[in-house]
Amino acid sequence: EADIYQTPRYLVIGTGKKITLECSQTMGHDKMYWYQQDPGMELHLIHYSYGVNSTEKGDLSSESTVSRIRTEHFPLTLESARPSHTSQYLCASTPSKSPSYNSPLHFGNGTRLTVT
Amino acid sequence: GENVEQHPSTLSVQEGDSAVIKCTYSDSASNYFPWYKQELGKRPQLIIDIRSNVGEKKDQRIAVTLNKTAKHFSLHITETQPEDSAVYFCAAKGNTGTASKLTFGTGTRLQVTL
Repeated sequence: EADIYQTPRYLVIGTGKKITLECSQTMGHDKMYWYQQDPGMELHLIHYSYGVNSTEKGDLSSESTVSRIRTEHFPLTLESARPSHTSQYLCASTPSKSPSYNSPLHFGNGTRLTVT
Repeated sequence: GENVEQHPSTLSVQEGDSAVIKCTYSDSASNYFPWYKQELGKRPQLIIDIRSNVGEKKDQRIAVTLNKTAKHFSLHITETQPEDSAVYFCAAKGNTGTASKLTFGTGTRLQVTL
């Protein structure tokens, strides 16, 4: 089924560990996004990509990095996790091929990260 | 960049009553305004959207109105039901360059009581 998939769903790790949150979509969407959200709270854009080899920082400063080597895959990496990184991370995508075309975001189920 | 304000932050209504959530935006070039519903522990999902060439759009019990002059748009839910309880986010999107990203409001937690 065409959808956007995030793994893991839940992750508890210790401070200083390196982690990668996976995001894959099978819809052929060009644009992908990472949002950080505390449960039920505001969505903060931390990274986005308009296509392969395109990545940009979002509105919220983040110590994470992203890569876009394949259209369907947009992983987010934290080199050294800290307790302040504890949050939910939502991946999203849209089918638009041009920045000017408006289409809704499709969200993944999120990764709930806890750094102890 | 775009700034979206959303009110109220929490809203409690009795089942069967109407609920209204209001948002204002700052960038007059914004031309796309979606609304998302996020149930507890689930992903945000689009419930309705409106483009700047339309003043109102309705889908069963949900309607959205847009006032481009005043730069505000609203979500109206009629005959509310307990399953409408969720957090609702408005958003605005421009058309070019960095303005082509969605900017979200801060969310409204709607509680529908029996």
